[in-house]
Amino acid sequence: DQQVKQNSPSLSVQEGRISILNCDYTNSMFDYFLWYKKYPAEGPTFLISISSIKDKNEDGRFTVFLNKSAKHLSLHIVPSQPGDSAVYFCAASVGNAGNMLTFGGGTRLMVKP
Amino acid sequence: EAGVTQSPTHLIKTRGQQATLRCSPISGHTSVYWYQQALGLGLQFLLWYDEGEERNRGNFPPRFSGRQFPNYSSELNVNALELEDSALYLCASSLVAQAYGYTFGSGTRLTVV
Repeated sequence: DQQVKQNSPSLSVQEGRISILNCDYTNSMFDYFLWYKKYPAEGPTFLISISSIKDKNEDGRFTVFLNKSAKHLSLHIVPSQPGDSAVYFCAASVGNAGNMLTFGGGTRLMVKP
Repeated sequence: EAGVTQSPTHLIKTRGQQATLRCSPISGHTSVYWYQQALGLGLQFLLWYDEGEERNRGNFPPRFSGRQFPNYSSELNVNALELEDSALYLCASSLVAQAYGYTFGSGTRLTVV
């Protein structure tokens, strides 16, 4: 039973345009959500997070939106840059105090120059 | 500050053998998590250790085991290796009270032949 799903395995976007990565979850107990970015041969690195008390969190070019009623979150990257090309994982946890993260399957983003 | 370090970087084993993977967390982090990323799949939760105790384990057979030492470093042992155990094994550490998720190491690539 996959509690966190990323239904798009890959996404291709032109440089300068918006990238939108989507994530759905089923466990209503999840109240903290994170996005990680992973380059080949490296471990995932933390990108941005959002608590369930918010519906939007912004950090530079990256914005995460949370729709609790739909159990859906999305990551927007504007403008997209070739260096953003990586695999993006969404993750969820109950609480944000270092509890176990449940990851989605990842979306490979390719930003074309 | 040194990051999460994992050793070895690569490991080749024969089916039926045992593999031992090691992880050193960031100084001060007490929680260590192990994840498996098989080819084309997302991160699957394996084990969570905190303060030397196993706190949770994922849906993996008992031949996947580990431990956490008094200095908070950790070992993952995989007994009776099978071909499908070939994967990238990622270790992450966190402070229990950390609000931003884990810090991952670069992983150990285990190949079973």
